[in-house]
Amino acid sequence: DSGVTQTPKHLITATGQRVTLRCSPRSGDLSVYWYQQSLDQGLQFLIHYYNGEERAKGNILERFSAQQFPDLHSELNLSSLELGDSALYFCASSTGALGGQETQYFGPGTRLLVL
Amino acid sequence: SQQGEEDPQALSIQEGENATMNCSYKTSINNLQWYRQNSGRGLVHLILIRSNEREKHSGRLRVTLDTSKKSSSLLITASRAADTASYFCATVRRNRDDKIIFGKGTRLHILP
Repeated sequence: DSGVTQTPKHLITATGQRVTLRCSPRSGDLSVYWYQQSLDQGLQFLIHYYNGEERAKGNILERFSAQQFPDLHSELNLSSLELGDSALYFCASSTGALGGQETQYFGPGTRLLVL
Repeated sequence: SQQGEEDPQALSIQEGENATMNCSYKTSINNLQWYRQNSGRGLVHLILIRSNEREKHSGRLRVTLDTSKKSSSLLITASRAADTASYFCATVRRNRDDKIIFGKGTRLHILP
């Protein structure tokens, strides 16, 4: 158990809908990262937040947005969902702001299925 | 775009044998990391090797890094059934914003 929690575990929805994925980092970690894992694209970095501020953006679509709240939990919002958005979405956390320079601890993921 | 490429894509070995996985990358890096993922679950960080290091050990794991060849290898000695998983290399490019870029992984299957 990494100490990172994600809810929900599974999500089934229809095209065009909007969903929110939630992540709570490990106690004491200030950074939260979001990743998408799909069969064709592999594991893709989406976005990094540190202490409430956006630090880095990856291959995140304009239909997707994220934020980190004062209590450090984070939400990833996916809107106008398409079939291709079906994937595993992982959240990770780390102590500082150094991104790939430090160990990231991954949550169990949210499996999203868009029908 | 993919930075790290693992090789082989899949590997099956007998329990007790050693498993070697390789990773090649394209641009200069700050560090390279290896992660393990059990089927459908979150990734677990195994080891981080910095660009000025050549070899690192952690238990039954040995990682080497050859920056001149832009490649790394992960060796798991005395494999166990519990080592069955996918293994990913991840790179952090030099002079970039510390984003981790993952390869597509090697699926390792340990046969009893």
